[in-house]
Amino acid sequence: EDQVTQSPEALRLQEGESSSLNCSYTVSGLRGLFWYRQDPGKGPEFLFTLYSAGEEKEKERLKATLTKKESFLHITAPKPEDSATYLCAVQALQNQGGKLIFGQGTELSVKP
Amino acid sequence: DSGVTQTPKHLITATGQRVTLRCSPRSGDLSVYWYQQSLDQGLQFLIQYYNGEERAKGNILERFSAQQFPDLHSELNLSSLELGDSALYFCASSPGWRQGRSPLHFGNGTRLTVT
Repeated sequence: EDQVTQSPEALRLQEGESSSLNCSYTVSGLRGLFWYRQDPGKGPEFLFTLYSAGEEKEKERLKATLTKKESFLHITAPKPEDSATYLCAVQALQNQGGKLIFGQGTELSVKP
Repeated sequence: DSGVTQTPKHLITATGQRVTLRCSPRSGDLSVYWYQQSLDQGLQFLIQYYNGEERAKGNILERFSAQQFPDLHSELNLSSLELGDSALYFCASSPGWRQGRSPLHFGNGTRLTVT
């Protein structure tokens, strides 16, 4: 069964303290891995798509990387406005349609 | 703003009742997806429609049904509501019926409370 596991469940950082979030996945064949950010009371906001092992994508203080079994979201010198829940999702090659399978998310809190 | 519009934002109803949630996809998107998000389950895929036809089905209860209309907006109907149906319901859209190079874009959800 296709599955996505994220760790840690929650992460508290001081402003400027860099860290990484992990997303481990088990999927029959990976079509794509997606990172989203979700603020309280809002819908998930798209950040990155990664398609193959070794691929990296960057946006401001965020950098996503992909291996054959996991993905990392690296946060460099975070600011309080980076506080949110970060969701990882996969789309399997054998999926009917375009559904994404989501992990439970990592709740990030950045204190000034 | 993702361009996906969901109404209503909040819905409070009693057990046994029926409600309809509405979604308008981004301009140009032909696929609509429905997800349920509860505290203990995370984001769970319910169903996908593409250009009016059902494309994929997740763990959607028989009490729930959806449809996509010719103008591409979609409705999710929830009936015989139970306390456990209380959750955030999200709609997302994408251009094609598979992800391809285009991600899903989500609306801000409808918060359903069943009392």
